[in-house]
Amino acid sequence: DAKTTQPNSMESNEEEPVHLPCNHSTISGTDYIHWYRQLPSQGPEYVIHGLTSNVNNRMASLAIAEDRKSSTLILHRATLRDAAVYYCILLQGAQKLVFGQGTRLTINP
Amino acid sequence: NAGVMQNPRHLVRRRGQEARLRCSPMKGHSHVYWYRQLPEEGLKFMVYLQKENIIDESGMPKERFSAEFPKEGPSILRIQQVVRGDSAAYFCASSPRAGGTTSYEQYFGPGTRLTVT
Repeated sequence: DAKTTQPNSMESNEEEPVHLPCNHSTISGTDYIHWYRQLPSQGPEYVIHGLTSNVNNRMASLAIAEDRKSSTLILHRATLRDAAVYYCILLQGAQKLVFGQGTRLTINP
Repeated sequence: NAGVMQNPRHLVRRRGQEARLRCSPMKGHSHVYWYRQLPEEGLKFMVYLQKENIIDESGMPKERFSAEFPKEGPSILRIQQVVRGDSAAYFCASSPRAGGTTSYEQYFGPGTRLTVT
């Protein structure tokens, strides 16, 4: 499985944008970049995924570097409910998700 | 459209008993994944099933654990002769389809929290 590297933790303030980085220098051409998050005492939640182009949905935006060796998950206006562990995962086809340590995001009121 | 459903949400078993965890995927989803999260640890893949087939069971313990996804009904994760180390949260996820290298998102259920006393 191709590996991703994320900061262990990040902190931000409510109603401010949050940029969560992910490095994946060994990504292959067919790896999709997936983001999931896990709120306290809940199951993981799909956030967004993409291959080459930047992606937007109602939850977040995904910015993918031109060489695809890194990506950034953008929460445009953080709320307290966005406090969670965020996982960046490379996935190909119908593969299992391999969760790393993720980034623990703290949102200050 | 109902999400992934898991039951029971909480299950208490004594050592040596059997635990049966059920997962109903989202409507139209035919791919099911089971993951386990031990206390204070990360999520680990256990098994990937399609209807009536086990596709990848590389994360399943060799003994006491089994999984099925019958043609009709929910997917079942079965743990025989439970031990205290089986105490964990078990999450099921479903995905709509698979096709070559195209990747699809997985939607997770709320989990079953198993406690072995």
